[in-house]
Amino acid sequence: LAKTTQPISMDSYEGQEVNITCSHNNIATNDYITWYQQFPSQGPRFIIQGYKTKVTNEVASLFIPADRKSSTLSLPRVSLSDTAVYYCLVGDRFNNNDMRFGAGTRLTVKP
Amino acid sequence: DTAVSQTPKYLVTQMGNDKSIKCEQNLGHDTMYWYKQDSKKFLKIMFSYNNKELIINETVPNRFSPKSPDKAHLNLHINSLELGDSAVYFCASSPRDRGGNQPQHFGDGTRLSIL
Repeated sequence: LAKTTQPISMDSYEGQEVNITCSHNNIATNDYITWYQQFPSQGPRFIIQGYKTKVTNEVASLFIPADRKSSTLSLPRVSLSDTAVYYCLVGDRFNNNDMRFGAGTRLTVKP
Repeated sequence: DTAVSQTPKYLVTQMGNDKSIKCEQNLGHDTMYWYKQDSKKFLKIMFSYNNKELIINETVPNRFSPKSPDKAHLNLHINSLELGDSAVYFCASSPRDRGGNQPQHFGDGTRLSIL
């Protein structure tokens, strides 16, 4: 199972761009990279998923270098409501049971 | 219109009791899951289940058992509750088209407290 490493916490201010990097040095060929967001007293919510290069949706962008040993979640112009825990997961695309949540990164957005 | 709903939201009970947590999804997904989030906020998968296969995390005590009356429901039964079972339990579901690793949709959790 590919293990992921993320910063425990990050602080930012409203309106700034936030980049959260996740390391996954032993990622396998079939593994996809998925990010979830969790607010207090709620379940995790899917943000974005990718395999290589760059993926963008209405919420975030995901940058994956060619060696795929890391990935960066980019949140443009964060607001106070983006304060949450962000989880990076790496898992085999053919086996959802392979997914493992790490400790996550607690992002605090300040006014 | 909640996609994945769990009941109850809070459950307080005494050690040794047997309890159940219900989960329903209206997304038409084929696979459902149970996760445990402990006090340190680590999310650990306990079970994944579709109508053909139950996969159990080997670290889960056999006091925990999933029950699926139909594709849209996966309930969690816990026998002989222990203090260490106190945690938040999340139900989730995902589609199963074109292989796995599909994004999972989570409920808002059931906070279980053992006295």
